[in-house]
Amino acid sequence: DTGVSQNPRHKITKRGQNVTFRCDPISEHNRLYWYRQTLGQGPEFLTYFQNEAQLEKSRLLSDRFSAERPKGSFSTLEIQRTEQGDSAMYLCASSSGQGGNQPQHFGDGTRLSIL
Amino acid sequence: AQSVTQPDIHITVSEGASLELRCNYSYGATPYLFWYVQSPGQGLQLLLKYFSGDTLVQGIKGFEAEFKRSQSSFNLRKPSVHWSDAAEYFCAVGSDSSYKLIFGSGTRLLVRP
Repeated sequence: DTGVSQNPRHKITKRGQNVTFRCDPISEHNRLYWYRQTLGQGPEFLTYFQNEAQLEKSRLLSDRFSAERPKGSFSTLEIQRTEQGDSAMYLCASSSGQGGNQPQHFGDGTRLSIL
Repeated sequence: AQSVTQPDIHITVSEGASLELRCNYSYGATPYLFWYVQSPGQGLQLLLKYFSGDTLVQGIKGFEAEFKRSQSSFNLRKPSVHWSDAAEYFCAVGSDSSYKLIFGSGTRLLVRP
């Protein structure tokens, strides 16, 4: 299967700890997106990369959040000093081509639980 | 402001019955419209997409959707629902001005045997 891969699938941590998630996009896709989904809601956009460049960040992405995509391949999303409100499913998606009409393909997400 | 509204939080239908899930959008630019399905604990799977042209689009698993510009709607339909269709369905909008997707809050579909 060559879909979008996210690790870990689940992460439980204590409040105040740092966590890092990884996303491996579909290999030929140049765009990579991060979304956050809380219970009963649709995904909310966090940030987007085209190759290694981070081109857009949501206001949801506070200073405690940082995302990287070195060499335009996999991406990491780090949350520092986690808070209860960070508990959510973090989804990664990737797409190819130019324009906004390229469908985004999603991974199965990383579920973060803050104790 | 850009937004997507899915007015039905839950819908219950009997297996074999027809289905229509509603989606309304508010978007200044020409929208690209998508429907995704999500099973519990899983990511989102693309059902279908509309960019331009024929306003009735066909997707996977027997789903179709109709774009109505005058009503700012993009409703999802299926003529005969199967028990395996029970899941959460999300409508989303995107455009060339921003590649992010804006999602509705979802509709949970329950299927009665």
